[in-house]
This record gives sequence, structure tokens and C-alpha cells, in this order.
Amino acid sequence: SQQGEEDPQALSIQEGENATMNCSYKTSINNLQWYRQNSGRGLVHLILIRSNEREKHSGRLRVTLDTSKKSSSLLITASRAADTASYFCATENSGNTPLVFGKGTRLSVIA
Amino acid sequence: KAGVTQTPRYLIKTRGQQVTLSCSPISGHRSVSWYQQTPGQGLQFLFEYFSETQRNKGNFPGRFSGRQFSNSRSEMNVSTLELGDSALYLCASSLGQGNGYTFGSGTRLTVV
Repeated sequence: SQQGEEDPQALSIQEGENATMNCSYKTSINNLQWYRQNSGRGLVHLILIRSNEREKHSGRLRVTLDTSKKSSSLLITASRAADTASYFCATENSGNTPLVFGKGTRLSVIA
Repeated sequence: KAGVTQTPRYLIKTRGQQVTLSCSPISGHRSVSWYQQTPGQGLQFLFEYFSETQRNKGNFPGRFSGRQFSNSRSEMNVSTLELGDSALYLCASSLGQGNGYTFGSGTRLTVV
């Protein structure tokens, strides 16, 4: 079953623009993670934000977490054609529970 | 360091056959998880192994099974294949909760 729901399902932007993707989840979490997947390949871990953190940066990525609203957002600044991929949020609950993924946002960056 | 290695990369099987997929985790990672990815259902959790023990299991029929060896390498087996088992099967390893997962490139299984 899906814990996270990404929004929008698909996003198309011009190179140089910023891309924002949102993720909502249902239950309390220990941490939330974002992953990228290029077509038909494995997922690449981008960033992990813990439940007691509100914002985290990594290069051109900025992730926010609002546990009161059970939501997170991923911002990619100054997007490049190489950022074209599917982006997934995944939540990890307390205890040794598995990582549960949303259905992803398909981002297309047009050069 | 070497990443997560999944073999084979592609596989074509006939309905009713069985298949075994292999995953070698990153050295030192004792947790290995398997996911099935399809366009309709997205990423569905199959099972997780830790120190040779199945720690979590997803909502899949008993035809799906797995195991982990003492060197942390893992295999998953699907018996009596059905057309609906066609999917990308992804393996991921991790140091444990609170750490990100490292995924392999996946095995693309096609059942005809």
C-alpha cells in the first residue's frame, strides 16, 4: 500500500526554472526520503529528512517537512535537462518497518 | 565501493515457470529489501531480510519467496509465474533504519 502521495503526477518546465514537488503521507513517520529514478533504472537516494527537522539542503535540492500537515516538498532550483526523471518520496516509520514509496512525480525539463 | 548488483538484468520466462533473481548488497549492509515496480501499482514492497532473517513481508502471494545468505547476498524466487508478474524487480541495501537505501539497477522480468 502507498503511504506517500506525490503531487503533481507530472510536471514539465523549461531549463533554468525551479521545480517543486509535494508529498503527503498518512501516519507518523521517523523520516522521509526522496529518490530519483531515470527511466527503467534503479532509484537514487537524494536526501533524508528526519521528523524533528524542518528543512534540509543538498546542492540544488531543498526539502521541507511539515509533520503537522503530514507533508513534504522537494524543490530543485535552476533545473537542467539532466534532472528529467521520476521523483519519489518514501516514508520510514518507527521500528524496523519497510520504506514505503509514493507513486512519484514525473519531471520533464525541456532544454 | 561497489554498488548493489542485481543479476540478471533482463529475463523472459513463460507462464508457469519459476525464476530466481539475485542481489549482492553493498559490503557491510546487512539489510536487503526487494520491491516490485509496475506502471499501474508503482513500487510495492516484497520483503526485507536482515542477518539472514526475514524481518518484514509485503502483501504478496506465497509464490514470492526469498532468502539471505551469511554474506548478506539475497535471492528472491517466484514460482508458477503469471503474466501479471511482469515487472521491474528492485533490490536495495541499507545500513539500517535512518539511513538511505542504495538500489541496484533492477531485473526486468517479462512473462509471456
